[in-house]
Amino acid sequence: GENVEQHPSTLSVQEGDSAVIKCTYSDSASNYFPWYKQELGKRPQLIIDIRSNVGEKKDQRIAVTLNKTAKHFSLHITETQPEDSAVYFCAAIYYSGNTPLVFGKGTRLSVIA
Amino acid sequence: DGGITQSPKYLFRKEGQNVTLSCEQNLNHDAMYWYRQDPGQGLRLIYYSQIVNDFQKGDIAEGYSVSREKKESFPLTVTSAQKNPTAFYLCASSPGPSGYNEQFFGPGTRLTVL
Repeated sequence: GENVEQHPSTLSVQEGDSAVIKCTYSDSASNYFPWYKQELGKRPQLIIDIRSNVGEKKDQRIAVTLNKTAKHFSLHITETQPEDSAVYFCAAIYYSGNTPLVFGKGTRLSVIA
Repeated sequence: DGGITQSPKYLFRKEGQNVTLSCEQNLNHDAMYWYRQDPGQGLRLIYYSQIVNDFQKGDIAEGYSVSREKKESFPLTVTSAQKNPTAFYLCASSPGPSGYNEQFFGPGTRLTVL
């Protein structure tokens, strides 16, 4: 089955700097890669996702890149702000209709003002 | 934050007792999921259901049970066989199989065993 490794487990950046979180996956058939953000005391929410037919997707200050050959994908946050502080989870799945998402263990991002 | 609800928000249980966590959604979603969240462990899948009257074990199903008698409801029972039940439990739903569908999470239930 699929296995997702996420690094780093914690990340501290100065406000205004960029943050990068990386994930690797094991199943080369995986074709959908979402990212979820969980603020302290709140539920996880989808912030961006990418499918295997594209290599990069952007949404304002966040972007996700996918390298299918190397089986890794990354979340990039530019011009970080204090409200970006949260735990971020990556996930992967092969869309067969029979298996659920496999999540990484999360990265706790702290943006220091 | 509506659409998928969990109750109660906090739950205390004595050792040896079974307890049931509620999860309800009014999004007309076919699929529902239960996750356990411990510090540093991410989101671990307990059970999932892709259709009414059917469900599958996730990675850590031992000591838990579920039912899916109605599309909108997916209760989780934590039995006395679960050795370390103290954790934060999250329920989620998605329109169909999660491959190409966003998962929507409930607010969670924090279970503490006394």
